[in-house]
Amino acid sequence: AQSVTQLGSHVSVSEGALVLLRCNYSSSVPPYLFWYVQYPNQGLQLLLKYTSAATLVKGINGFEAEFKKSETSFHLTKPSAHMSDAAEYFCAVSWNSGGYQKVTFGIGTKLQVIP
Amino acid sequence: DAGVIQSPRHEVTEMGQEVTLRCKPISGHDYLFWYRQTMMRGLELLIYFNNNVPIDDSGMPEDRFSAKMPNASFSTLKIQPSEPRDSAVYFCASSLDAGDNEQFFGPGTRLTVL
Repeated sequence: AQSVTQLGSHVSVSEGALVLLRCNYSSSVPPYLFWYVQYPNQGLQLLLKYTSAATLVKGINGFEAEFKKSETSFHLTKPSAHMSDAAEYFCAVSWNSGGYQKVTFGIGTKLQVIP
Repeated sequence: DAGVIQSPRHEVTEMGQEVTLRCKPISGHDYLFWYRQTMMRGLELLIYFNNNVPIDDSGMPEDRFSAKMPNASFSTLKIQPSEPRDSAVYFCASSLDAGDNEQFFGPGTRLTVL
C-alpha cells in the first residue's frame, strides 16, 4: 500500500515568514499527490494536486508544492504567511489498484501564524 | 451544485442509542467515502463505495458500524449501539472515477455520545 508521512504535527510561523510543510510519500506506482486544507469546523478542501503534468504545482491562496521523485517528497510552501493561513493541512496520495481508486491521508499538520 | 450535503450537522445522543448519519454526494460522482476524525487518531477512512457498491470496509471499527448506499444520491452510516468512544466528526466525501480527481468533502457531522 502507498503511504504519506507528514513531518511535524504542529508548525508555527510568524506572519510574513515562509511556510514550509513537509510531506514524503512511498509509492510503488506513479502516484497522484494532493494537499488539502481544513479550516476550523469545516471539511477538507483541495489546495493543489500533482498529476505528473508538471513538477511544480501552484494552488490556491499563494501555495505551491514541488514533486521531487528522487526525494519522494511533495512539500508545501508559501513565501509569506498570512493570518488567514492558520488551519490544518493534509497531504494525500491516490493511486489505482485493481481498477479502483485508493487514497491515503497523512496525519495532518496544524499551522499556527503568529502576528 | 450545492456540494456534498451531510445531516445532521450536530448529534448528541446517549450511549446505547442508534445513530444514523446521512450524506448526499455531488451529482455524477462515482465514489463516496466515509471518514472519521478525532484528535487522537486523525482522519480515518471507514469505508468507500464505487457506483453504490462497497469496495473497502476494512476501516470500519467493528460490527456496530454499518454503511449503505441504496442509490447514487444517498448514503447512510449507522452506529448501533453507540458508545462514548464513537464521539468524533464524521465526514462524507465524493469524487469522480479517476485517481487524479480530488475528493469533495461535506461539512461533517459532529457526534457526541454521552
